[in-house]
Amino acid sequence: ETGVTQSPTHLIKTRGQQVTLRCSSQSGHNTVSWYQQALGQGPQFIFQYYREEENGRGNFPPRFSGLQFPNYSSELNVNALELDDSALYLCASSQDRARNSYEQYFGPGTRLTVT
Amino acid sequence: GDSVTQMEGPVTLSEEAFLTINCTYTATGYPSLFWYVQYPGEGLQLLLKATKADDKGSNKGFEATYRKETTSFHLEKGSVQVSDSAVYFCALTPYSSASKIIFGSGTRLSIRP
Repeated sequence: ETGVTQSPTHLIKTRGQQVTLRCSSQSGHNTVSWYQQALGQGPQFIFQYYREEENGRGNFPPRFSGLQFPNYSSELNVNALELDDSALYLCASSQDRARNSYEQYFGPGTRLTVT
Repeated sequence: GDSVTQMEGPVTLSEEAFLTINCTYTATGYPSLFWYVQYPGEGLQLLLKATKADDKGSNKGFEATYRKETTSFHLEKGSVQVSDSAVYFCALTPYSSASKIIFGSGTRLSIRP
C-alpha cells in the first residue's frame, strides 16, 4: 500500500510569485485535505477536496486554491505569495468524507520558503 | 469557534519517567479527539483516537481518555523511551464538520537516556 506522497520536498519562491504543490493520495482514498503548518505551530486547515469538489474550507484567502483530479491526486496553488506563506504544507488523504471515516493520513509535507 | 489548548513545551524527561501532556478543548456537540505525533524528519502520524465520552484511546503504551465533563484528553505513558522524543499534537474533528482537523500548537518532548 502506497502512502501519501508530496512534491516537491522543498521550494524557495520570491514574494509575489505563484506556486503549485502536489499530492498523491494513499491507495483507496478519495478525499484530500491540505494544511499549513507554520514553524512551531500546529497545522491549520486550508481546504478539503472530495471527488474533485471542494468540501470545506478554513480561514484562508482566495489566493489559496486547489484542484483534485479523477485519480484523486491534488494540487494546492498559492498566488501572490507573501512572506507569511512560508511554512510546511501538509497533504492528508482519507477514505471518505463521511463522519465515520475521519482518519486522515498525512504526507511528509512540502517546505515552502518565501523570500 | 472550536479550539484545542495543550501544555506548552518543551518537556524534558529521563528515560522510564511517567509522562503526562495536558490537553483541553472547546467544541460544540461531540467532537472526535486525537493525538498525533511528528517524529523528526517525518510526517504527522495518528497516535490514538477517541470518538465518544469516556472512550480510552491507546497505542504504543500511550493512553488518553475522553473526558467530556472536564473537556480534556490528556496523553499519558507510564515509562517513556528515548524513541518517544517527538512533537505531540492534540486535535479534534468537530461534530459539525468532519472534513477538518483542528490542532493544538504542539508539545515538544525530549527524553534523556
